[in-house]
Amino acid sequence: QKEVEQNSGPLSVPEGAIASLNCTYSDRVSQSFFWYRQYSGKSPELIMSIYSNGDKEDGRFTAQLNKASQYVSLLIRDSQPSDSATYLCATTGGAGGTSYGKLTFGQGTILTVHP
Amino acid sequence: EPEVTQTPSHQVTQMGQEVILRCVPISNHLYFYWYRQILGQKVEFLVSFYNNEISEKSEIFDDQFSVERPDGSNFTLKIRSTKLEDSAMYFCASSPASDTQYFGPGTRLTVL
Repeated sequence: QKEVEQNSGPLSVPEGAIASLNCTYSDRVSQSFFWYRQYSGKSPELIMSIYSNGDKEDGRFTAQLNKASQYVSLLIRDSQPSDSATYLCATTGGAGGTSYGKLTFGQGTILTVHP
Repeated sequence: EPEVTQTPSHQVTQMGQEVILRCVPISNHLYFYWYRQILGQKVEFLVSFYNNEISEKSEIFDDQFSVERPDGSNFTLKIRSTKLEDSAMYFCASSPASDTQYFGPGTRLTVL
């Protein structure tokens, strides 16, 4: 059973601070990793994808992947109140190399950015 | 920017009734998915669809569920005989290459 684990939070940070969101996964052969943002009552919105070890930056967002530790994180710099949402970590790819992209999601971390 | 659309936004039905949830994926995408999210729980995979057939399905996707791509644009999820526990948000997603997936706004299904 593939599992993706996240601290459900809530994580509260002041406006302008760095928010750090963490995720671990159990399936060592997971290949692709995604961060989605979900506002209450809305659908998941893709923020970042990362496929290889290291950091990937996109604007205020940086994703970090460490496959040896089975760990992926998301940093949000200069956090804004509009960043307040649930952040979902998801993985795809699995044993046998056959994958049609099924995403396995974590529970999500609730982030609150207060002014 | 192209996006996935879903109709209806909210569907209320009686237990035992059939429902069809509709999705229009992004036009040049080849892989299509349904997920559901019960209130307060994780987003869960239901089924993936590629090349006009189911490519993978979860344990949730039993004989009560079916998917169809009846024409070149629509992708539907049918639940034959709804149960109370089918109440959830249902999300359609599409992808150009079985990787990065873009989600539609969802259909909230309420089974009474």
